[in-house]
Amino acid sequence: SAVISQKPSRDICQRGTSLTIQCQVDSQVTMMFWYRQQPGQSLTLIATANQGSEATYESGFVIDKFPISRPNLTFSTLTVSNMSPEDSSIYLCSVEGGQANYGYTFGSGTRLTVV
Amino acid sequence: GESVGLHLPTLSVQEGDNSIINCAYSNSASDYFIWYKQESGKGPQFIIDIRSNMDKRQGQRVTVLLNKTVKHLSLQIAATQPGDSAVYFCAEVTSGTYKYIFGTGTRLKVLA
Repeated sequence: SAVISQKPSRDICQRGTSLTIQCQVDSQVTMMFWYRQQPGQSLTLIATANQGSEATYESGFVIDKFPISRPNLTFSTLTVSNMSPEDSSIYLCSVEGGQANYGYTFGSGTRLTVV
Repeated sequence: GESVGLHLPTLSVQEGDNSIINCAYSNSASDYFIWYKQESGKGPQFIIDIRSNMDKRQGQRVTVLLNKTVKHLSLQIAATQPGDSAVYFCAEVTSGTYKYIFGTGTRLKVLA
């Protein structure tokens, strides 16, 4: 299965600033996914990023707040813009092509704290 | 420490005993189900999957049971070990889509 490198692993940011999270995969993948995991909760899909097209956002998430880039088949970035303490979460990228047909592989996550 | 699992339901099991983790899924159209394990400080890791045309599937020390009538999924871990301590999530997917719907998660705590 794919190996994902996600950076940074954690950060503490001031409110009103932005943070860009990088996701690098060791193989080419068509679909990359960005998830948010709020403290003590499950994972929620933010958006799907396909190379060569705009990201598709889930209900409750907008491009202005979470702009995504997908410049090639092995890399994507998620930016958390104009942060507030409510954005404190773990952000995870995920790719298709894991151990099973739909068994996606996840990165280790970025633990964001906004103060 | 890490925040994953702080407010999730917790199952405490004695080392060596069997663990059963339950999950109720939401979409009757879902036809593929996966269990993930998330250890502190890590992303979710695939454990086992099952298709809707099956009601049981076994892996190494793990068994997944599917009851479509009541939309219920369970993960059984045999001879639970300290390394099994983690948060466990079920996820459902509908064929032809790519969107996982994750369950709320259960924190498994293995007692020595």
